[in-house]
Amino acid sequence: EPEVTQTPSHQVTQMGQEVILRCVPISNHLYFYWYRQILGQKVEFLVSFYNNEISEKSEIFDDQFSVERPDGSNFTLKIRSTKLEDSAMYFCASSSGTAAAGELFFGEGSRLTVL
Amino acid sequence: KNEVEQSPQNLTAQEGEFITINCSYSVGISALHWLQQHPGGGIVSLFMLSSGKKKHGRLIATINIQEKHSSLHITASHPRDSAVYICAVRSRETSGSRLTFGEGTQLTVNP
Repeated sequence: EPEVTQTPSHQVTQMGQEVILRCVPISNHLYFYWYRQILGQKVEFLVSFYNNEISEKSEIFDDQFSVERPDGSNFTLKIRSTKLEDSAMYFCASSSGTAAAGELFFGEGSRLTVL
Repeated sequence: KNEVEQSPQNLTAQEGEFITINCSYSVGISALHWLQQHPGGGIVSLFMLSSGKKKHGRLIATINIQEKHSSLHITASHPRDSAVYICAVRSRETSGSRLTFGEGTQLTVNP
């Protein structure tokens, strides 16, 4: 069964360092998303991406965050200068359809720990 | 007030019991998702609903758009059903691509 894969599964970094989280969405999907979940809290939307551009972003997704689809398979989330409060589980998801039409498929998550 | 409210927050059941988890939301939606989060953190999509009822194996999801309410039912529960169940909605009031999540319901099924 096709799946969304994320790397790394866990990354520990020092405050102020840049981090890149990588995702390989399902191959025929067109819509890509990043969500995050701070420990003990609910999942929050970060950004959605379609047709090589951001289609929507949340208030959390400020200038320190960026997303990119550098080739036909990878979808990356970059955090430029990490802060302690960026420590969270980051989930990538993809779907074949738009808002009401597309079932979401999630990756297993990348746990980011900022020290 | 949260846009998506789930109840109960925690639920403990004995194997074989019928389980219901509820979700209420306050905005107009284009779709509602039920998700399962495993102890390791991974998220699996169970259902996407915009009306009516869906069934998959022992799982049933219903939605009442007029009442802004959805339920997830598990029949003949099993210890492997133990997980966090999350309700999430796609709001019509935004551009529609984001999901707003509930806090989740921690389900524990004892043998």
